[in-house]
Amino acid sequence: DVKVTQSSRYLVKRTGEKVFLECVQDMDHENMFWYRQDPGLGLRLIYFSYDVKMKEKGDIPEGYSVSREKKERFSLILESASTNQTSMYLCASSLGDRGRKGYTFGSGTRLTVV
Amino acid sequence: QKEVEQNSGPLSVPEGAIASLNCTYSDRGSQSFFWYRQYSGKSPELIMFIYSNGDKEDGRFTAQLNKASQYVSLLIRDSQPSDSATYLCAVMDSSYKLIFGSGTRLLVRP
Repeated sequence: DVKVTQSSRYLVKRTGEKVFLECVQDMDHENMFWYRQDPGLGLRLIYFSYDVKMKEKGDIPEGYSVSREKKERFSLILESASTNQTSMYLCASSLGDRGRKGYTFGSGTRLTVV
Repeated sequence: QKEVEQNSGPLSVPEGAIASLNCTYSDRGSQSFFWYRQYSGKSPELIMFIYSNGDKEDGRFTAQLNKASQYVSLLIRDSQPSDSATYLCAVMDSSYKLIFGSGTRLLVRP
């Protein structure tokens, strides 16, 4: 089974802090994604990567950046956390066929910014 | 703006009944379609994917696709209380990004 591991299940951070959310997958998947999920808004794509050192903006990249230095690791960075970034963050990965067989999600990180 | 629309529900069915979940999408270039199940407080779990028009069956689940009508559905036969969850429809757009609907909450009454 593909495993996508997110480093923290719950995080509480202060406004203005720099926040790092880590995601590691163990099945040599080429593609990795970061979504946030909010009630009534569904899952929204923040950033994605189809290869090491490659990154593409999703639908809501403002206030976020990413890093993919190794194939198995995709990090989401909140440069200066704000309360409107309080959300559930979900990392996902998929095979190099552009994910035609679907994504596998990590267990999520619930971030609260106070 | 590419969209995937689902009725938020809740859809309430008795145990043993067929639950029918529906989804429409706006991008005619979409090629791949997915159903995810999400229990409260958990992450989405892939149930099925379908590429071609028609039906695809896997156990108690059947996915149906009609590209001309831009319509995807999921049927759950012999519904069980453990099927109670939010079901997310997702569509891979022409640039290979997965676009999610906001989900339909299903309640199966014992």
